[in-house]
Amino acid sequence: GAGVSQTPSNKVTEKGKYVELRCDPISGHTALYWYRQSLGQGPEFLIYFQGTGAADDSGLPNDRFFAVRPEGSVSTLKIQRTERGDSAVYLCASSFGLATDTQYFGPGTRLTVL
Amino acid sequence: DAKTTQPNSMESNEEEPVHLPCNHSTISGTDYIHWYRQLPSQGPEYVIHGLTSNVNNRMASLAIAEDRKSSTLILHRATLRDAAVYYCILRDVWGGGADGLTFGKGTHLIIQP
Repeated sequence: GAGVSQTPSNKVTEKGKYVELRCDPISGHTALYWYRQSLGQGPEFLIYFQGTGAADDSGLPNDRFFAVRPEGSVSTLKIQRTERGDSAVYLCASSFGLATDTQYFGPGTRLTVL
Repeated sequence: DAKTTQPNSMESNEEEPVHLPCNHSTISGTDYIHWYRQLPSQGPEYVIHGLTSNVNNRMASLAIAEDRKSSTLILHRATLRDAAVYYCILRDVWGGGADGLTFGKGTHLIIQP
């Protein structure tokens, strides 16, 4: 079946602009995760949804970052007033939501802030 | 989640076995050991996980020390397609629930033809 998809694959923006990154999880997966990966580093957890609600948003770096999942499926990560330090690959993953479940990752969105 | 320690990089030859070590000396009794790998320009993918007993699947084997303070991911016959960064991750099934994964820097596996 279809895997996790993310759009766009690449996004170039200017400092101070607003961006939205989209994630389409695997159908039936109740848990959805956002991660950020800087060059040479492992992915860093940002936020986790169980259904429509954010079960854990402790990884969001500051209040410029916000994510929603209004219908419990597609999720959007929103970044306001982008900064050059926000440049990274943003990864989305989904799972059935149990603790030992495999997380399935999308290919990521490469965000570049000029 | 408890911390894991892995070598920064390892090199192996094609068609030979590869043993990727992971130390997790502060592991708790409810921590599962998970391995993911990330091929170049892709998102991470699941490899294998276990709790106490050794585990095998079509991709790899996981050998867990008796005291659970270390584990080894075994690729029985490496191919060029196995060149990736391999991450060893602990997940507390009781305290952490289905929380996000805590990735370290992983081991960059280089396969020589």
